[in-house]
Amino acid sequence: DVKVTQSSRYLVKRTGEKVFLECVQDMDHENMFWYRQDPGLGLRLIYFSYDVKMKEKGDIPEGYSVSREKKERFSLILESASTNQTSMYLCASRPGQGVWRIYFGEGSWLTVV
Amino acid sequence: AQSVTQPDIHITVSEGASLELRCNYSYGATPYLFWYVQSPGQGLQLLLKYFSGDTLVQGIKGFEAEFKRSQSSFNLRKPSVHWSDAAEYFCAVGGNNNDMRFGAGTRLTVKP
Repeated sequence: DVKVTQSSRYLVKRTGEKVFLECVQDMDHENMFWYRQDPGLGLRLIYFSYDVKMKEKGDIPEGYSVSREKKERFSLILESASTNQTSMYLCASRPGQGVWRIYFGEGSWLTVV
Repeated sequence: AQSVTQPDIHITVSEGASLELRCNYSYGATPYLFWYVQSPGQGLQLLLKYFSGDTLVQGIKGFEAEFKRSQSSFNLRKPSVHWSDAAEYFCAVGGNNNDMRFGAGTRLTVKP
């Protein structure tokens, strides 16, 4: 069965900390995504990657960076966490060009205090 | 990049009444369009999708959606709403650059 795993379900971090959110998929998918979900704003695309070492900015990349050194892993990095980055973060993957089935992880709740 | 607008933040309908949730997209080429539902505390579930062909698509749970290119719309409909349909609904659009954008969502409340 298809699986997208986010390593941490709940995190509490302090302002200014560097935060890593990890996402792993076991389906050999080409494309991976990071979204944040906030009430009233829906899911907003932070970054996506269409292949290993390739990345594209989404709509709200400021304050975030990503890393995709291996096909199965897509990491979201908050260089210096701020309180306005408190949110639910969703990782997703899809097979690739021409296949539009997207699979979501369970989400990571991040609180920055 | 493509974008999605869901004009209605919150809709309340009576059980048994019909439902229409609006979605407008912006994209220069033929879009890939989706509707997802998210129940409280749950993940997103795909209701239906449109890629090409017949502009009226059928989905799960009795939902359907109609693609209207002239109006850049992809509205979701259900003839008779059940209490279990109360949830948040997201419209999404995929583009040729492999990315996918979601709308802000419409929260549906169902009155007994």
